[in-house]
Amino acid sequence: AQRVTQPEKLLSVFKGAPVELKCNYSYSGSPELFWYVQYSRQRLQLLLRHISRESIKGFTADLNKGETSFHLKKPFAQEEDSAMYYCALGYGQNFVFGPGTRLSVLP
Amino acid sequence: ETGVTQSPTHLIKTRGQQVTLRCSSQSGHNTVSWYQQALGQGPQFIFQYYREEENGRGNFPPRFSGLQFPNYSSELNVNALELDDSALYLCASSSGAWDGYTFGSGTRLTVV
Repeated sequence: AQRVTQPEKLLSVFKGAPVELKCNYSYSGSPELFWYVQYSRQRLQLLLRHISRESIKGFTADLNKGETSFHLKKPFAQEEDSAMYYCALGYGQNFVFGPGTRLSVLP
Repeated sequence: ETGVTQSPTHLIKTRGQQVTLRCSSQSGHNTVSWYQQALGQGPQFIFQYYREEENGRGNFPPRFSGLQFPNYSSELNVNALELDDSALYLCASSSGAWDGYTFGSGTRLTVV
């Protein structure tokens, strides 16, 4: 079965520090990968897609097919980045979310 | 109204009953998908509809069924409710399979 793993349930960093949220996937074809974010008391929302190769709110993610990874990075974390982050894989007509990582940015 | 809206927001049902959850897609979106999110877990894909046809399904039994209507609104039906069906049910719409989904706020279902 196709899987998405996010090894850290909770990640705490200080404001201004770099942050990396890890995501690994298992899929032998060409994956469609996404990061979704859920801020406190808000809906789940799309942060970025690998295919668009864009930077949103300072976050970037690079697809590494060799390592089957799609880690989310930001050079300088802000307190407003504190949220739940989900990595997701689209394949065929299916969609799989990872278990999520809660990012806490400390002042 | 723009955005994805779901109803009801909360629901309590008894084991063995049937439930219907509703979703209005964001304007211009022709694809809708449903997810089950248990407490502390990521959303689990139930199924997806495109132009009123189911075109993707996760690992859920047949008692989970759905409909998409010509106006792209959608329903999720669950028969023979079990205690483990208690969860947040999320609806999401998009303008294409992998364009990125817009999520609703969810329906919290409690089965007692």
